[in-house]
Amino acid sequence: SAVISQKPSRDICQRGTSLTIQCQVDSQVTMMFWYRQQPGQSLTLIATANQGSEATYESGFVIDKFPISRPNLTFSTLTVSNMSPEDSSIYLCSVDRTGAGGYTFGSGTRLTVV
Amino acid sequence: TQLLEQSPQFLSIQEGENLTVYCNSSSVFSSLQWYRQEPGEGPVLLVTVVTGGEVKKLKRLTFQFGDARKDSSLHITAAQPGDTGLYLCAGAGGTSDYKLSFGAGTTVTVRA
Repeated sequence: SAVISQKPSRDICQRGTSLTIQCQVDSQVTMMFWYRQQPGQSLTLIATANQGSEATYESGFVIDKFPISRPNLTFSTLTVSNMSPEDSSIYLCSVDRTGAGGYTFGSGTRLTVV
Repeated sequence: TQLLEQSPQFLSIQEGENLTVYCNSSSVFSSLQWYRQEPGEGPVLLVTVVTGGEVKKLKRLTFQFGDARKDSSLHITAAQPGDTGLYLCAGAGGTSDYKLSFGAGTTVTVRA
């Protein structure tokens, strides 16, 4: 199964600033997924990142707020821009473990905006 | 609105007891997955079920996929403190072939 390295694991940021989260996968994958998990809640898909094309955003999420890069088949970044306290969440990246029928997740980035 | 309704939201039991978590939807899924998440970690896949009526067993955990592929259950026999965590069901193929729809999660606490 794929192994994902996600960083930073946590950060405390000032409102109005931006944070870039990185995900490195140990094998090539076609799609990478970015999720948000607000305190005590389930996972909400932010966007799907494909290499060589624009990310596809879910309803309620926009590129200006959450720009995504996918420069190659093993790496992606998610930026949380112009942060406010409402952006305090856990952000997770994920890949499809093709053939295993399930998804592998990074360990998450716990973001606190003050 | 959650595509997958998960119940109960919280479950606290004594070590050795059994528990069941339910995941229901009005949508048909091509597969349904169960994950367990511990604090400070991402969700870890427990099982994927793909065939209606399918039952899978992993040691003390039994997973069932409904005949119509709209619902699933997770049953834990003789729960142990190590089973404590957030259990999440996720369906694939509801709105798209590859995007997962997650249930709200069930927080399970097993007291020693």
